[in-house]
Amino acid sequence: GNSVTQMEGPVTLSEEAFLTINCTYTATGYPSLFWYVQYPGEGLQLLLKATKADDKGSNKGFEATYRKETTSFHLEKGSVQVSDSAVYFCALSDRGDYKLSFGAGTTVTVRA
Amino acid sequence: DTGVSQDPRHKITKRGQNVTFRCDPISEHNRLYWYRQTLGQGPEFLTYFQNEAQLEKSRLLSDRFSAERPKGSFSTLEIQRTEQGDSAMYLCASSLRGGQGVYTEAFFGQGTRLTVV
Repeated sequence: GNSVTQMEGPVTLSEEAFLTINCTYTATGYPSLFWYVQYPGEGLQLLLKATKADDKGSNKGFEATYRKETTSFHLEKGSVQVSDSAVYFCALSDRGDYKLSFGAGTTVTVRA
Repeated sequence: DTGVSQDPRHKITKRGQNVTFRCDPISEHNRLYWYRQTLGQGPEFLTYFQNEAQLEKSRLLSDRFSAERPKGSFSTLEIQRTEQGDSAMYLCASSLRGGQGVYTEAFFGQGTRLTVV
């Protein structure tokens, strides 16, 4: 079956630091890959997605590249802000819809 | 449209009682999903509807769980004879399935947090 493994947290960073959250997946076929973010007190929001190999998703300064050869979709941001403090979830869909398999989430705290 | 709404936001119930949650999706969205999220874990898929038809149910959805979407708009999730293991956040999401199987982004509600004591 499908599964997503992401880097365990929590991760604590200083403002302007570089952030990487690792995500690897197991799936049949060619899944779509997603990063969702959950800010404190809010619902899950789609941060970015990629639907085929070598695609790069980007939004709000975050980027992730779909690497089929390493079955990975690592999330990166070059300079984090306090407002990036949230829980980040990697997810996949093997059907193109939003029946999603999620990772366990990574809590990121950015200190001023 | 204010997005996906879920009601109630919090529910505390005694073991053995029945509970029902409601989800109001974005009005034009024809697809509706239910997920369950336990502490420290990512959401897990429970079931989904295309309009009023329930098309798939996860093995996580035991016989005590039932979901409906009677008119293809709002949906309800009922848990009968609640158990402590049912304590979780129940999330609803909706999206639009358009022509040729293209899906718009799914939007999530803020969830209903269930505590079974």
